[in-house]
Amino acid sequence: KAGVTQTPRYLIKTRGQQVTLSCSPISGHRSVSWYQQTPGQGLQFLFEYFSETQRNKGNFPGRFSGRQFSNSRSEMNVSTLELGDSALYLCASSLRQGAANTEAFFGQGTRLTVV
Amino acid sequence: AQSVAQPEDQVNVAEGNPLTVKCTYSVSGNPYLFWYVQYPNRGLQFLLKYITGDNLVKGSYGFEAEFNKSQTSFHLKKPSALVSDSALYFCAVRDIRRNRDDKIIFGKGTRLHILP
Repeated sequence: KAGVTQTPRYLIKTRGQQVTLSCSPISGHRSVSWYQQTPGQGLQFLFEYFSETQRNKGNFPGRFSGRQFSNSRSEMNVSTLELGDSALYLCASSLRQGAANTEAFFGQGTRLTVV
Repeated sequence: AQSVAQPEDQVNVAEGNPLTVKCTYSVSGNPYLFWYVQYPNRGLQFLLKYITGDNLVKGSYGFEAEFNKSQTSFHLKKPSALVSDSALYFCAVRDIRRNRDDKIIFGKGTRLHILP
């Protein structure tokens, strides 16, 4: 069974640009969450999608957005990139929302560097 | 709002000694608690979880964790540390309340160094 796949693994972007990251969850998993990991802030929750709907949202500015497709694949977009957006972006999938006792499975992440 | 605290940024343990990585939590409802491990340049790997039942939970790679409701703690333990256990460890909590499935919140992580 394939794990959570995130593409690309590495990205370098310039301030002011926008970026789109992709996440393919484990087959059968319908819930996808996104996290930002930085050395100073640890893992911070961005948003969670289930059945193409955003179910939870963290405290990030509107420049951060996401969506989920009918096949449960998810994308997140960051517009008007800032230097502080440099981070490891992690995607996690779980079986379904409501199955709160199930653990999340993480992808290897996308390392975004903004210069 | 739910929160997780890992009071130690780093823990150093000699190989073969027991290890403990501390975690405390705060939730409004009942907690579901998790431990994850992260190796360099990798995503997080699930270690173990507490949902209900026995307070002592056993997980992968010989790790276990003890749920203590009165102290709102969920410390990660291992009887005998290996050098390969050196990694970044995250505690996480999901707050379960009626008719609401809240997000998983992570602590800031504790870096575990096992000294040969």
